[in-house]
Amino acid sequence: GQNIDQPTEMTATEGAIVQINCTYQTSGFNGLFWYQQHAGEAPTFLSYNVLDGLEEKGRFSSFLSRSKGYSYLLLKELQMKDSASYLCAVADSNYQLIWGAGTKLIIKP
Amino acid sequence: IAGITQAPTSQILAAGRRMTLRCTQDMRHNAMYWYRQDLGLGLRLIHYSNTAGTTGKGEVPDGYSVSRANTDDFPLTLASAVPSQTSVYFCASSAGGPQDTQYFGPGTRLTVL
Repeated sequence: GQNIDQPTEMTATEGAIVQINCTYQTSGFNGLFWYQQHAGEAPTFLSYNVLDGLEEKGRFSSFLSRSKGYSYLLLKELQMKDSASYLCAVADSNYQLIWGAGTKLIIKP
Repeated sequence: IAGITQAPTSQILAAGRRMTLRCTQDMRHNAMYWYRQDLGLGLRLIHYSNTAGTTGKGEVPDGYSVSRANTDDFPLTLASAVPSQTSVYFCASSAGGPQDTQYFGPGTRLTVL
């Protein structure tokens, strides 16, 4: 079967750095996406990785290792507005997105 | 530019009733999707359409139907609603390539009693 695993909840302090991990087992791989979803709102796109390595975009970075079936999202200089759920999704062999349940990130002052 | 709109925002429905959730996009995207999101579960794909005139079944299609008569609109119909269809429904669209970002509508919160 297809499976995406990510921690259910994480807590971090304002100004700090947090790493949200995602492991996957899917039928085929055509890229991995990270989305942010604030409570009661729609998911919004953060990043896309299809090759191994680190992609940096401002305070957010995303890493991929295809051989390990592993990705992480790194958030630096945390702000209160970063409190949200972070969703990991993998495009499978049919190019359909398989979604993880999301990691709820709580930022404390 | 509105992006993707969904209607209604929320709805309470009696079991056994028919309901159509509306979705419209103005980005001229080829692909459109319907997901449901339930607490503790990831987004689950109900139906999708890669281009106008074609549709396909996702992970959880039973009890739902869709149509794609044109590029902009992708309605989702529940023929006879059941309580297990209580969920938040998101419509999304993308240009259609495997690496293309999916853009989501604001969602419809549906309660079936």
